[in-house]
Amino acid sequence: DVKVTQSSRYLVKRTGEKVFLECVQDMDHENMFWYRQDPGLGLRLIYFSYDVKMKEKGDIPEGYSVSREKKERFSLILESASTNQTSMYLCASSFTSKQFFGPGTRLTVL
Amino acid sequence: EDKVVQSPLSLVVHEGDTVTLNCSYEVTNFRSLLWYKQEKKAPTFLFMLTSSGIEKKSGRLSSILDKKELFSILNITATQTGDSAVYLCAFYAGGTSYGKLTFGQGTILTVHP
Repeated sequence: DVKVTQSSRYLVKRTGEKVFLECVQDMDHENMFWYRQDPGLGLRLIYFSYDVKMKEKGDIPEGYSVSREKKERFSLILESASTNQTSMYLCASSFTSKQFFGPGTRLTVL
Repeated sequence: EDKVVQSPLSLVVHEGDTVTLNCSYEVTNFRSLLWYKQEKKAPTFLFMLTSSGIEKKSGRLSSILDKKELFSILNITATQTGDSAVYLCAFYAGGTSYGKLTFGQGTILTVHP
């Protein structure tokens, strides 16, 4: 079974802090994705990566950056957290269209 | 701009009822449509549909795609409280989209005993 893990289930940070969210997959998938999920808005794509060191902006990249130094690991970085980045963050990986999701990180920015 | 719209946004039923969830899409390129179920954790894959008119079935859940009218439905018969979840549909464009999916807003299903 594919396993996608995320570094934290719950995280509380202060406005202005730098935040790192880590995602690791164990199935050698080329593609990895970061989404945020807010009530009524579904899953919105922040960034994705189709290979090591390759990244593409999704629909809402502002305020975020990503890093993919190794194939199995995809990190989401909030350079200076703001209260409007309070959300559920989901990571996913895939080989083709079927994506496998991690358990999510619920981030609260105070 | 590619768009996926789900309806209804929320639904409350009683155990034993049958429900139909809708997903319509307006997209430039279409390869497949996927359904996921999300309880209080990671979305889990239910179905992938690529061909029009062919029903996919798994127990009490079934789904069908209509590529002419650009929609898909997810049916759940004899609902149980364990079916309470957010149901997400997403389309996949294929080609150079690198596995990228575009999701609808989700339908929140609540099944009361």
